[in-house]
Amino acid sequence: KQEVTQIPAALSVPEGENLVLNCSFTDSAIYNLQWFRQDPGKGLTSLLLIQSSQREQTSGRLNASLDKSSGRSTLYIAASQPGDSATYLCAVSGEGGSEKLVFGKGMKLTVNP
Amino acid sequence: NAGVMQNPRHLVRRRGQEARLRCSPMKGHSHVYWYRQLPEEGLKFMVYLQKENIIDESGMPKERFSAEFPKEGPSILRIQQVVRGDSAAYFCASSEMVVRFTNYGYTFGSGTRLTVV
Repeated sequence: KQEVTQIPAALSVPEGENLVLNCSFTDSAIYNLQWFRQDPGKGLTSLLLIQSSQREQTSGRLNASLDKSSGRSTLYIAASQPGDSATYLCAVSGEGGSEKLVFGKGMKLTVNP
Repeated sequence: NAGVMQNPRHLVRRRGQEARLRCSPMKGHSHVYWYRQLPEEGLKFMVYLQKENIIDESGMPKERFSAEFPKEGPSILRIQQVVRGDSAAYFCASSEMVVRFTNYGYTFGSGTRLTVV
């Protein structure tokens, strides 16, 4: 059974720091991995999608890497801003050949001005 | 493009009533997924539908819960005889095709927050 873990559960940093968010998964037979952000009381916003054949994706100040063989992904946030404060979720698909996403519990990020 | 639309945003039901949650996928998307987020827990998959077909319902509770995605109109998640444990945020996501063949991933709606009193 696929399990996705995000550690730590929460992180508080001063504005301007470069951040590393970690995600690990137990079964390397994935189709893809997706990073989302969720603001309080809101839905999920897709940040980056990495297909299993890819190693990384970039969008603006965000860069996500995927090491499928070791079951790890990392989301880098450059020059963090207070507006980056949110819960960041990692999810993988492919369990049992299924398209459904298996989510981690998320990491709550607070960027202090 | 209005994105994935879910309504209502908030729904309050008394124990024993029925709850109907609606999801209109993005224009051109024929794949719909429902997820549930219980308080202090991660999102859990419930069901995957294409037009008029249930593809994977492995995450659906065996009783009281059902889902449909008719040829015309939104997808509906129906919960009969609600109990307090059904209180959660229910999210719908859609995709144009099977995601592993795209570069876009899933687009989520803003969710319906169900409270059972």
